[in-house]
Amino acid sequence: SQQGEEDPQALSIQEGENATMNCSYKTSINNLQWYRQNSGRGLVHLILIRSNEREKHSGRLRVTLDTSKKSSSLLITASRAADTASYFCATDGFYNQGGKLIFGQGTELSVKP
Amino acid sequence: GAGVSQTPSNKVTEKGKYVELRCDPISGHTALYWYRQSLGQGPEFLIYFQGTGAADDSGLPNDRFFAVRPEGSVSTLKIQRTERGDSAVYLCASSLTRGGGRYNEQFFGPGTRLTVL
Repeated sequence: SQQGEEDPQALSIQEGENATMNCSYKTSINNLQWYRQNSGRGLVHLILIRSNEREKHSGRLRVTLDTSKKSSSLLITASRAADTASYFCATDGFYNQGGKLIFGQGTELSVKP
Repeated sequence: GAGVSQTPSNKVTEKGKYVELRCDPISGHTALYWYRQSLGQGPEFLIYFQGTGAADDSGLPNDRFFAVRPEGSVSTLKIQRTERGDSAVYLCASSLTRGGGRYNEQFFGPGTRLTVL
Protein backbone atom coordinates (compact mmCIF):
# COMPACT_ATOMS: atom_id res chain seq x y z
CA SER A 1 0.00 0.00 0.00
CA GLN A 2 1.11 3.55 -0.61
CA GLN A 3 2.62 5.29 2.38
CA GLY A 4 2.20 8.75 0.95
CA GLU A 5 -0.87 10.14 -0.68
CA GLU A 6 -0.65 13.44 -2.50
CA ASP A 7 -3.46 15.88 -2.86
CA PRO A 8 -4.51 17.15 -5.32
CA GLN A 9 -3.74 14.60 -8.03
CA ALA A 10 -3.59 17.39 -10.61
CA LEU A 11 -3.19 21.14 -10.29
CA SER A 12 -3.29 23.76 -13.02
CA ILE A 13 -2.28 27.37 -12.31
CA GLN A 14 -1.08 30.50 -14.07
CA GLU A 15 2.51 31.59 -14.05
CA GLY A 16 3.24 33.76 -11.04
CA GLU A 17 0.69 32.08 -8.81
CA ASN A 18 1.59 29.90 -5.84
CA ALA A 19 1.12 26.14 -5.93
CA THR A 20 0.41 24.09 -2.83
CA MET A 21 0.57 20.31 -2.74
CA ASN A 22 -0.23 18.15 0.24
CA CYS A 23 0.96 14.74 1.31
CA SER A 24 -0.34 12.41 3.98
CA TYR A 25 1.34 9.29 5.29
CA LYS A 26 0.47 6.48 7.64
CA THR A 27 3.37 5.39 9.81
CA SER A 28 6.06 7.07 11.86
CA ILE A 29 8.92 8.41 9.81
CA ASN A 30 12.56 9.47 10.07
CA ASN A 31 12.20 12.07 7.39
CA LEU A 32 10.07 13.11 4.43
CA GLN A 33 11.34 14.15 1.05
CA TRP A 34 9.87 15.87 -1.98
CA TYR A 35 10.92 15.00 -5.51
CA ARG A 36 10.13 16.41 -8.92
CA GLN A 37 9.85 14.34 -12.07
CA ASN A 38 9.70 15.58 -15.63
CA SER A 39 8.25 13.46 -18.41
CA GLY A 40 8.12 10.26 -16.38
CA ARG A 41 11.87 9.86 -16.09
CA GLY A 42 14.47 10.55 -13.41
CA LEU A 43 13.46 12.13 -10.14
CA VAL A 44 15.13 15.27 -8.89
CA HIS A 45 15.48 15.69 -5.15
CA LEU A 46 13.98 18.98 -3.96
CA ILE A 47 14.06 19.03 -0.20
CA LEU A 48 14.32 16.77 2.84
CA ILE A 49 12.67 17.56 6.13
CA ARG A 50 13.45 15.60 9.25
CA SER A 51 10.79 14.33 11.61
CA ASN A 52 11.84 16.83 14.28
CA GLU A 53 11.59 19.80 11.92
CA ARG A 54 8.40 21.72 11.22
CA GLU A 55 9.32 23.93 8.31
CA LYS A 56 12.06 24.23 5.76
CA HIS A 57 12.81 26.60 2.90
CA SER A 58 14.83 26.27 -0.25
CA GLY A 59 14.61 29.08 -2.76
CA ARG A 60 10.99 29.31 -3.88
CA LEU A 61 10.10 26.12 -2.05
CA ARG A 62 8.61 25.90 1.39
CA VAL A 63 7.89 22.57 3.06
CA THR A 64 6.01 22.02 6.27
CA LEU A 65 5.69 18.86 8.29
CA ASP A 66 3.06 18.05 10.91
CA THR A 67 3.92 14.70 12.45
CA SER A 68 0.84 14.77 14.69
CA LYS A 69 -1.35 14.82 11.59
CA LYS A 70 1.09 12.76 9.53
CA SER A 71 1.01 15.32 6.77
CA SER A 72 3.29 17.60 4.80
CA SER A 73 2.81 20.38 2.32
CA LEU A 74 4.97 21.75 -0.48
CA LEU A 75 4.52 25.35 -1.50
CA ILE A 76 6.04 26.70 -4.68
CA THR A 77 5.89 30.47 -4.78
CA ALA A 78 5.83 32.63 -7.90
CA SER A 79 5.51 29.59 -10.14
CA ARG A 80 7.07 29.42 -13.59
CA ALA A 81 6.23 27.39 -16.66
CA ALA A 82 9.42 25.40 -15.99
CA ASP A 83 7.88 24.17 -12.72
CA THR A 84 5.48 22.04 -14.76
CA ALA A 85 6.18 18.48 -13.60
CA SER A 86 4.95 15.73 -11.31
CA TYR A 87 5.76 16.13 -7.63
CA PHE A 88 6.09 13.23 -5.22
CA CYS A 89 6.48 13.00 -1.51
CA ALA A 90 8.43 10.08 -0.14
CA THR A 91 8.91 8.81 3.36
CA ASP A 92 11.31 6.38 4.93
CA GLY A 93 9.39 4.60 7.62
CA PHE A 94 10.80 4.81 11.11
CA TYR A 95 11.04 1.05 11.32
CA ASN A 96 12.44 0.57 7.85
CA GLN A 97 15.76 -1.10 7.52
CA GLY A 98 17.94 0.67 5.01
CA GLY A 99 15.84 3.73 4.39
CA LYS A 100 13.86 2.54 1.39
CA LEU A 101 11.50 5.25 0.25
CA ILE A 102 7.77 4.88 -0.02
CA PHE A 103 6.29 7.21 -2.60
CA GLY A 104 2.84 8.59 -3.10
CA GLN A 105 1.11 8.71 -6.45
CA GLY A 106 2.15 12.28 -7.07
CA THR A 107 0.63 15.62 -7.98
CA GLU A 108 0.78 16.65 -11.61
CA LEU A 109 1.40 20.40 -11.73
CA SER A 110 0.77 22.41 -14.86
CA VAL A 111 1.89 26.05 -14.91
CA LYS A 112 0.49 27.99 -17.82
CA PRO A 113 2.45 30.93 -19.20
CA GLY B 1 30.31 10.67 -13.83
CA ALA B 2 28.67 13.14 -11.54
CA GLY B 3 25.32 11.41 -11.28
CA VAL B 4 23.67 8.02 -11.34
CA SER B 5 23.65 6.51 -14.80
CA GLN B 6 21.48 3.74 -16.15
CA THR B 7 21.72 1.71 -19.32
CA PRO B 8 20.02 1.16 -21.61
CA SER B 9 17.69 4.13 -21.56
CA ASN B 10 15.09 2.14 -23.44
CA LYS B 11 14.67 -1.59 -23.84
CA VAL B 12 12.07 -3.33 -25.96
CA THR B 13 11.82 -7.07 -25.63
CA GLU B 14 9.42 -9.88 -26.36
CA LYS B 15 7.44 -11.75 -23.79
CA GLY B 16 9.43 -14.62 -22.35
CA LYS B 17 12.85 -13.08 -22.98
CA TYR B 18 15.54 -12.31 -20.43
CA VAL B 19 16.70 -8.73 -19.79
CA GLU B 20 19.41 -7.04 -17.79
CA LEU B 21 19.30 -3.45 -16.65
CA ARG B 22 22.43 -1.73 -15.41
CA CYS B 23 22.96 0.98 -12.83
CA ASP B 24 26.14 2.95 -12.12
CA PRO B 25 25.78 4.76 -8.82
CA ILE B 26 27.54 7.91 -7.72
CA SER B 27 31.11 7.08 -6.80
CA GLY B 28 31.47 6.40 -3.11
CA HIS B 29 27.77 5.80 -2.48
CA THR B 30 27.44 2.60 -0.51
CA ALA B 31 23.66 2.30 -0.66
CA LEU B 32 21.91 1.45 -3.92
CA TYR B 33 18.18 1.13 -4.55
CA TRP B 34 16.03 -0.15 -7.39
CA TYR B 35 12.48 1.11 -7.91
CA ARG B 36 9.85 0.41 -10.54
CA GLN B 37 7.41 3.02 -11.78
CA SER B 38 4.30 2.27 -13.78
CA LEU B 39 2.52 4.93 -15.78
CA GLY B 40 0.71 7.41 -13.58
CA GLN B 41 2.06 5.92 -10.37
CA GLY B 42 4.81 6.74 -7.93
CA PRO B 43 7.96 4.64 -7.83
CA GLU B 44 7.70 1.36 -5.93
CA PHE B 45 10.63 -0.08 -4.03
CA LEU B 46 12.16 -3.29 -5.32
CA ILE B 47 15.48 -3.96 -3.61
CA TYR B 48 18.19 -2.23 -1.58
CA PHE B 49 21.92 -2.97 -1.43
CA GLN B 50 24.33 -1.92 1.25
CA GLY B 51 27.71 -2.62 -0.25
CA THR B 52 27.64 -5.95 -2.07
CA GLY B 53 24.78 -7.52 -0.17
CA ALA B 54 21.06 -7.22 -0.76
CA ALA B 55 19.92 -5.88 2.58
CA ASP B 56 16.24 -5.74 1.69
CA ASP B 57 14.66 -7.46 -1.32
CA SER B 58 11.13 -7.37 -0.01
CA GLY B 59 9.88 -5.37 -2.98
CA LEU B 60 10.83 -7.87 -5.68
CA PRO B 61 7.49 -9.03 -7.11
CA ASN B 62 8.46 -12.66 -7.70
CA ASP B 63 11.40 -14.98 -8.33
CA ARG B 64 11.74 -13.86 -11.94
CA PHE B 65 13.40 -10.72 -10.62
CA PHE B 66 16.94 -10.79 -9.30
CA ALA B 67 19.61 -8.16 -8.72
CA VAL B 68 23.34 -8.26 -8.01
CA ARG B 69 26.04 -5.84 -7.00
CA PRO B 70 29.17 -8.02 -6.95
CA GLU B 71 31.77 -5.33 -6.26
CA GLY B 72 29.70 -2.90 -4.29
CA SER B 73 29.40 -0.40 -7.10
CA VAL B 74 27.59 -1.24 -10.35
CA SER B 75 24.34 -3.15 -10.00
CA THR B 76 22.41 -5.23 -12.50
CA LEU B 77 18.70 -5.95 -12.28
CA LYS B 78 17.82 -9.17 -14.06
CA ILE B 79 14.36 -10.19 -15.20
CA GLN B 80 13.70 -13.68 -16.48
CA ARG B 81 10.79 -14.80 -18.65
CA THR B 82 9.53 -11.25 -19.03
CA GLU B 83 5.81 -10.60 -19.03
CA ARG B 84 3.83 -7.68 -20.45
CA GLY B 85 3.08 -6.60 -16.90
CA ASP B 86 6.80 -5.99 -16.34
CA SER B 87 6.64 -2.99 -18.66
CA ALA B 88 7.58 0.07 -16.62
CA VAL B 89 10.37 2.54 -15.97
CA TYR B 90 13.02 1.01 -13.75
CA LEU B 91 14.77 3.58 -11.60
CA CYS B 92 18.00 3.25 -9.71
CA ALA B 93 19.11 5.50 -6.87
CA SER B 94 22.16 5.73 -4.69
CA SER B 95 22.78 7.22 -1.31
CA LEU B 96 25.86 8.20 0.64
CA THR B 97 24.46 7.14 3.98
CA ARG B 98 23.33 3.73 5.04
CA GLY B 99 19.77 4.85 5.34
CA GLY B 100 17.32 4.12 8.07
CA GLY B 101 18.84 7.01 9.92
CA ARG B 102 18.19 10.66 9.90
CA TYR B 103 19.64 11.47 6.51
CA ASN B 104 18.68 9.52 3.46
CA GLU B 105 18.83 11.74 0.38
CA GLN B 106 18.69 9.44 -2.62
CA PHE B 107 19.96 10.51 -6.02
CA PHE B 108 18.11 8.97 -8.93
CA GLY B 109 19.24 7.98 -12.38
CA PRO B 110 17.23 8.75 -15.53
CA GLY B 111 15.69 5.28 -15.58
CA THR B 112 15.34 2.49 -18.09
CA ARG B 113 12.02 2.28 -19.88
CA LEU B 114 11.26 -1.41 -20.38
CA THR B 115 8.60 -2.42 -22.88
CA VAL B 116 7.59 -6.06 -23.11
CA LEU B 117 5.67 -6.84 -26.28
